[in-house]
Amino acid sequence: QVQLQESGPGLVKPSETLSLTCTVSGDSISTNYWSWIRQPAGKGLEWVGHIFTSGGTDYSPSSGSTDYNPSLKSRVTMSVDTSKDQFSLRLSSVTAADTAVYYCAREGWGVGRAFDIWGQGTMVAVSS
Amino acid sequence: EIVLTQSPGTLSLSPGERATLSCRASQSVTSSYFAWYQQKPGQAPRLLIYGASNRATGIPDRFSGSGSGTDFTLTISRLEPEDFAVYYCQHYGNAGTFGPGTKVDIK
Repeated sequence: QVQLQESGPGLVKPSETLSLTCTVSGDSISTNYWSWIRQPAGKGLEWVGHIFTSGGTDYSPSSGSTDYNPSLKSRVTMSVDTSKDQFSLRLSSVTAADTAVYYCAREGWGVGRAFDIWGQGTMVAVSS
Repeated sequence: EIVLTQSPGTLSLSPGERATLSCRASQSVTSSYFAWYQQKPGQAPRLLIYGASNRATGIPDRFSGSGSGTDFTLTISRLEPEDFAVYYCQHYGNAGTFGPGTKVDIK
């Protein structure tokens, strides 16, 4: 079955860049939309952005086609590495407000691109 | 930018009762891109309903979704003990806006 697994540092210093990777198994990373969502402790879900890769033979990391949450757009970069079946999130100039559980998710074509498969989430704390 | 508002914030009910959760969009949205999720403590959200009214795979038929335009509803016909959780509505597509959530807790 399709599984997603987030990985990355659990602690990031203020003003530095948060970097997370989501590894996909059981599905092609190509021709799918892949999202990042975050959730501060005790609060609701916030969509960070998504990336779409149309596949092909380019196995170098690429930016794909992206959409980002307008409130985070100036600090977010997403990329995909089809050779590793991974997609990544970079969030620059982090502050304590970026402390959250970060989830990756698939936008499933079979469910009209709702978020049908989620990773377990990874906690990232921003602190010096 | 679309803003989703959910009501009530908390719904206190007993097992066996009917739960009605509402979600209102700040402007008319495409029903095809409207979903509901359930989240339990310490777990990732789970897709319940997509396209406003379609149950995702494995979701019991006591869950149903309806609505169009700006007003959407999630109904749980008879609450089971495992249904007490937080429920989020979402409009997706080129952006994935979530509502603030409704907590369904045991009365």
